[in-house]
Amino acid sequence: DGGITQSPKYLFRKEGQNVTLSCEQNLNHDAMYWYRQDPGQGLRLIYYSQIVNDFQKGDIAEGYSVSREKKESFPLTVTSAQKNPTAFYLCASTDRGLATNEKLFFGSGTQLSVL
Amino acid sequence: GDSVTQMEGPVTLSEEAFLTINCTYTATGYPSLFWYVQYPGEGLQLLLKATKADDKGSNKGFEATYRKETTSFHLEKGSVQVSDSAVYFCALRRGTNAGKSTFGDGTTLTVKP
Repeated sequence: DGGITQSPKYLFRKEGQNVTLSCEQNLNHDAMYWYRQDPGQGLRLIYYSQIVNDFQKGDIAEGYSVSREKKESFPLTVTSAQKNPTAFYLCASTDRGLATNEKLFFGSGTQLSVL
Repeated sequence: GDSVTQMEGPVTLSEEAFLTINCTYTATGYPSLFWYVQYPGEGLQLLLKATKADDKGSNKGFEATYRKETTSFHLEKGSVQVSDSAVYFCALRRGTNAGKSTFGDGTTLTVKP
Protein backbone atom coordinates (compact mmCIF):
# COMPACT_ATOMS: atom_id res chain seq x y z
CA ASP A 1 0.00 0.00 0.00
CA GLY A 2 1.17 3.52 -0.76
CA GLY A 3 1.76 5.90 2.07
CA ILE A 4 4.12 7.97 4.16
CA THR A 5 6.42 6.34 6.71
CA GLN A 6 7.89 8.34 9.56
CA SER A 7 10.53 6.99 11.89
CA PRO A 8 11.19 6.65 14.70
CA LYS A 9 7.83 6.96 16.44
CA TYR A 10 9.52 8.22 19.63
CA LEU A 11 12.84 10.08 19.82
CA PHE A 12 14.77 11.57 22.71
CA ARG A 13 17.29 14.35 22.37
CA LYS A 14 20.03 15.32 24.76
CA GLU A 15 21.11 18.92 25.26
CA GLY A 16 23.32 20.16 22.42
CA GLN A 17 22.53 17.20 20.20
CA ASN A 18 21.25 17.22 16.62
CA VAL A 19 18.65 14.59 15.76
CA THR A 20 17.19 13.60 12.40
CA LEU A 21 13.60 12.53 11.76
CA SER A 22 12.98 10.33 8.75
CA CYS A 23 10.13 10.73 6.26
CA GLU A 24 9.71 8.44 3.25
CA GLN A 25 6.80 8.31 0.77
CA ASN A 26 6.02 5.86 -2.02
CA LEU A 27 3.13 7.85 -3.45
CA ASN A 28 5.27 9.46 -6.15
CA HIS A 29 4.24 12.86 -4.80
CA ASP A 30 6.12 15.98 -5.83
CA ALA A 31 5.59 18.11 -2.72
CA MET A 32 6.51 17.27 0.87
CA TYR A 33 6.03 19.20 4.11
CA TRP A 34 7.10 19.15 7.74
CA TYR A 35 4.74 20.38 10.45
CA ARG A 36 5.17 20.81 14.17
CA GLN A 37 2.21 20.14 16.49
CA ASP A 38 2.15 21.32 20.10
CA PRO A 39 -0.58 20.23 22.54
CA GLY A 40 -3.87 22.04 21.95
CA GLN A 41 -2.53 23.88 18.95
CA GLY A 42 -2.80 23.62 15.23
CA LEU A 43 -0.06 22.58 12.86
CA ARG A 44 2.74 25.00 12.09
CA LEU A 45 4.77 24.67 8.91
CA ILE A 46 8.53 24.19 9.37
CA TYR A 47 9.80 23.52 5.83
CA TYR A 48 8.37 22.41 2.52
CA SER A 49 9.69 21.17 -0.79
CA GLN A 50 7.92 21.35 -4.15
CA ILE A 51 10.55 19.43 -6.13
CA VAL A 52 13.78 17.51 -5.62
CA ASN A 53 16.81 19.60 -4.62
CA ASP A 54 14.64 22.57 -3.69
CA PHE A 55 13.00 23.51 -0.39
CA GLN A 56 11.59 26.62 1.29
CA LYS A 57 11.32 27.84 4.86
CA GLY A 58 7.92 27.74 6.45
CA ASP A 59 6.68 29.82 9.36
CA ILE A 60 8.96 28.37 12.07
CA ALA A 61 12.14 27.21 10.30
CA GLU A 62 14.67 28.51 12.85
CA GLY A 63 16.59 25.67 14.51
CA TYR A 64 15.64 23.15 11.82
CA SER A 65 17.19 21.98 8.55
CA VAL A 66 16.05 19.70 5.71
CA SER A 67 17.28 18.12 2.51
CA ARG A 68 15.48 16.76 -0.57
CA GLU A 69 18.00 14.68 -2.48
CA LYS A 70 15.43 12.09 -3.59
CA LYS A 71 11.77 12.51 -4.48
CA GLU A 72 10.64 9.97 -1.91
CA SER A 73 12.66 11.26 1.06
CA PHE A 74 12.51 14.49 3.08
CA PRO A 75 14.44 14.17 6.36
CA LEU A 76 14.21 16.85 9.05
CA THR A 77 17.12 17.67 11.36
CA VAL A 78 16.36 19.32 14.67
CA THR A 79 19.53 21.17 15.57
CA SER A 80 20.86 22.25 18.96
CA ALA A 81 19.78 25.79 18.04
CA GLN A 82 16.14 24.74 18.50
CA LYS A 83 15.69 25.51 22.19
CA ASN A 84 12.21 24.07 22.60
CA PRO A 85 12.11 20.97 20.41
CA THR A 86 9.63 18.88 22.39
CA ALA A 87 6.65 18.39 20.07
CA PHE A 88 4.88 15.99 17.73
CA TYR A 89 6.33 16.24 14.22
CA LEU A 90 4.24 15.39 11.17
CA CYS A 91 5.43 14.83 7.63
CA ALA A 92 2.96 15.24 4.76
CA SER A 93 2.86 15.18 0.98
CA THR A 94 0.66 16.19 -1.93
CA ASP A 95 0.64 15.02 -5.51
CA ARG A 96 1.06 18.43 -7.10
CA GLY A 97 2.46 21.07 -4.79
CA LEU A 98 0.69 24.11 -6.14
CA ALA A 99 -2.81 22.75 -6.69
CA THR A 100 -5.42 24.37 -4.48
CA ASN A 101 -7.67 21.34 -4.17
CA GLU A 102 -5.02 18.81 -3.27
CA LYS A 103 -5.42 17.08 0.08
CA LEU A 104 -2.45 16.39 2.33
CA PHE A 105 -1.39 12.82 3.06
CA PHE A 106 0.15 12.51 6.52
CA GLY A 107 2.55 10.12 8.18
CA SER A 108 1.83 8.83 11.68
CA GLY A 109 4.21 11.28 13.33
CA THR A 110 7.31 11.34 15.54
CA GLN A 111 7.14 12.43 19.17
CA LEU A 112 10.38 14.20 20.08
CA SER A 113 11.24 14.79 23.73
CA VAL A 114 14.22 16.36 25.45
CA LEU A 115 16.11 14.37 28.09
CA GLY B 1 -2.22 36.49 6.00
CA ASP B 2 -4.47 33.47 5.91
CA SER B 3 -6.06 32.26 9.14
CA VAL B 4 -8.54 29.66 10.36
CA THR B 5 -10.52 30.00 13.58
CA GLN B 6 -12.20 26.97 15.12
CA MET B 7 -14.65 26.59 17.92
CA GLU B 8 -12.78 25.99 21.14
CA GLY B 9 -12.99 22.61 22.76
CA PRO B 10 -13.14 20.24 24.28
CA VAL B 11 -16.60 19.15 23.20
CA THR B 12 -18.27 16.30 25.07
CA LEU B 13 -21.44 14.70 23.73
CA SER B 14 -23.54 11.65 24.42
CA GLU B 15 -23.86 9.00 21.73
CA GLU B 16 -26.46 9.86 19.05
CA ALA B 17 -26.29 13.59 19.82
CA PHE B 18 -26.03 16.23 17.08
CA LEU B 19 -22.58 17.68 16.45
CA THR B 20 -21.55 21.10 15.19
CA ILE B 21 -17.97 22.35 15.17
CA ASN B 22 -17.69 25.92 13.91
CA CYS B 23 -14.95 27.04 11.54
CA THR B 24 -14.42 30.46 9.99
CA TYR B 25 -11.56 31.59 7.77
CA THR B 26 -9.75 34.62 6.41
CA ALA B 27 -8.02 34.33 3.07
CA THR B 28 -7.63 36.18 -0.20
CA GLY B 29 -8.67 34.58 -3.43
CA TYR B 30 -10.52 31.28 -3.61
CA PRO B 31 -9.17 28.72 -1.17
CA SER B 32 -10.22 25.11 -0.88
CA LEU B 33 -11.48 24.11 2.57
CA PHE B 34 -10.85 20.87 4.41
CA TRP B 35 -11.71 19.01 7.57
CA TYR B 36 -9.08 16.59 8.87
CA VAL B 37 -9.43 14.14 11.76
CA GLN B 38 -6.67 12.96 14.09
CA TYR B 39 -6.92 9.89 16.31
CA PRO B 40 -4.60 9.60 19.34
CA GLY B 41 -0.94 9.15 18.45
CA GLU B 42 -1.58 9.28 14.72
CA GLY B 43 -1.28 11.67 11.81
CA LEU B 44 -4.18 13.55 10.28
CA GLN B 45 -6.58 12.01 7.78
CA LEU B 46 -8.78 13.87 5.36
CA LEU B 47 -12.43 13.73 6.44
CA LEU B 48 -14.00 15.90 3.73
CA LYS B 49 -13.31 18.87 1.51
CA ALA B 50 -15.00 21.53 -0.62
CA THR B 51 -13.27 23.42 -3.40
CA LYS B 52 -15.68 26.24 -4.26
CA ALA B 53 -18.48 28.32 -2.81
CA ASP B 54 -21.73 26.44 -1.98
CA ASP B 55 -20.04 23.05 -2.37
CA LYS B 56 -20.94 20.52 0.30
CA GLY B 57 -18.34 18.00 1.39
CA SER B 58 -19.56 14.80 3.03
CA ASN B 59 -18.08 11.58 4.37
CA LYS B 60 -19.02 9.00 7.04
CA GLY B 61 -22.13 10.99 8.01
CA PHE B 62 -20.19 14.25 8.43
CA GLU B 63 -21.05 17.27 6.29
CA ALA B 64 -19.75 20.80 5.79
CA THR B 65 -20.83 23.51 3.34
CA TYR B 66 -18.49 26.14 1.91
CA ARG B 67 -20.18 29.49 2.71
CA LYS B 68 -18.28 32.31 1.05
CA GLU B 69 -20.66 35.01 2.25
CA THR B 70 -19.99 34.14 5.90
CA THR B 71 -16.47 32.73 5.29
CA SER B 72 -17.45 29.59 7.17
CA PHE B 73 -17.14 25.82 6.85
CA HIS B 74 -18.92 24.34 9.87
CA LEU B 75 -18.71 20.60 10.47
CA GLU B 76 -21.94 18.75 11.33
CA LYS B 77 -23.06 15.22 12.05
CA GLY B 78 -26.57 14.18 12.90
CA SER B 79 -25.79 11.32 15.28
CA VAL B 80 -22.31 10.87 16.73
CA GLN B 81 -20.79 7.57 17.84
CA VAL B 82 -18.15 6.75 20.42
CA SER B 83 -15.78 5.96 17.54
CA ASP B 84 -16.01 9.62 16.39
CA SER B 85 -13.98 10.70 19.42
CA ALA B 86 -10.93 12.45 17.99
CA VAL B 87 -9.43 15.87 17.28
CA TYR B 88 -10.89 17.70 14.29
CA PHE B 89 -8.96 20.30 12.30
CA CYS B 90 -10.33 22.81 9.84
CA ALA B 91 -7.86 23.91 7.16
CA LEU B 92 -7.61 25.99 4.00
CA ARG B 93 -5.28 25.81 1.05
CA ARG B 94 -4.49 28.31 -1.67
CA GLY B 95 -2.46 27.17 -4.61
CA THR B 96 -1.12 30.66 -5.17
CA ASN B 97 0.40 30.58 -1.69
CA ALA B 98 2.99 28.03 -2.79
CA GLY B 99 0.57 25.27 -1.94
CA LYS B 100 0.80 25.89 1.78
CA SER B 101 -2.10 24.90 4.03
CA THR B 102 -3.29 26.84 7.06
CA PHE B 103 -4.80 24.95 10.00
CA GLY B 104 -7.06 25.85 12.88
CA ASP B 105 -6.07 24.89 16.43
CA GLY B 106 -8.17 21.74 16.45
CA THR B 107 -11.28 20.78 18.44
CA THR B 108 -11.25 17.72 20.67
CA LEU B 109 -14.48 15.71 20.58
CA THR B 110 -15.30 13.09 23.18
CA VAL B 111 -18.43 10.98 22.73
CA LYS B 112 -19.69 9.09 25.77
CA PRO B 113 -21.82 5.94 25.53
